[in-house]
Amino acid sequence: SAVISQKPSRDICQRGTSLTIQCQVDSQVTMMFWYRQQPGQSLTLIATANQGSEATYESGFVIDKFPISRPNLTFSTLTVSNMSPEDSSIYLCSVLAGLDTGELFFGEGSRLTVL
Amino acid sequence: AQKVTQAQTEISVVEKEDVTLDCVYETRDTTYYLFWYKQPPSGELVFLIRRNSFDEQNEISGRYSWNFQKSTSSFNFTITASQVVDSAVYFCALSGGWAGGFKTIFGAGTRLFVKA
Repeated sequence: SAVISQKPSRDICQRGTSLTIQCQVDSQVTMMFWYRQQPGQSLTLIATANQGSEATYESGFVIDKFPISRPNLTFSTLTVSNMSPEDSSIYLCSVLAGLDTGELFFGEGSRLTVL
Repeated sequence: AQKVTQAQTEISVVEKEDVTLDCVYETRDTTYYLFWYKQPPSGELVFLIRRNSFDEQNEISGRYSWNFQKSTSSFNFTITASQVVDSAVYFCALSGGWAGGFKTIFGAGTRLFVKA
């Protein structure tokens, strides 16, 4: 299994600012995914981040609002830009455990509160 | 389009009761994966079980068991003799595998309360 570390674990941000969340994996992984979990809700996929290519965003999420970088096989960042209170959520980094299994390993999440 | 429905929003049981969490899915893919994840109050998601579309065998792991029925598009999860530590939100999830870019969609979750 992969160990996934996310930073920050939590933060309180002011409206209009941007915050970058880092995701570090202890092994090389092909596919990484970013999810959002709004308070009391399920997980919603934001984008797929593969090394060497642009992130692929799901409907309702755009690169200007959630720019993603994937510089290598162990690291990715998600930026939440121009934040509003509606962006208050837990943001989760996940990695594919294996191409033959399809299961995901998750980081502990980054809990953002926007005032 | 893929969809996962967990109709039970919250379930409350008394310790040692058996409880079944329902999951119904929709997909047009012939190859897909189904999962259950647990999210305890600490927040971290824990993988519990995976089933691929070609494997309808039910599985038992300790107090946990899973019933996969393609005929009814269901993948239900039963906890036998529930314990307080089972209190968590449980998510059923669906992935289209390679063909779907391994994107995983999650059901709304069922919050389980187990009272002592």
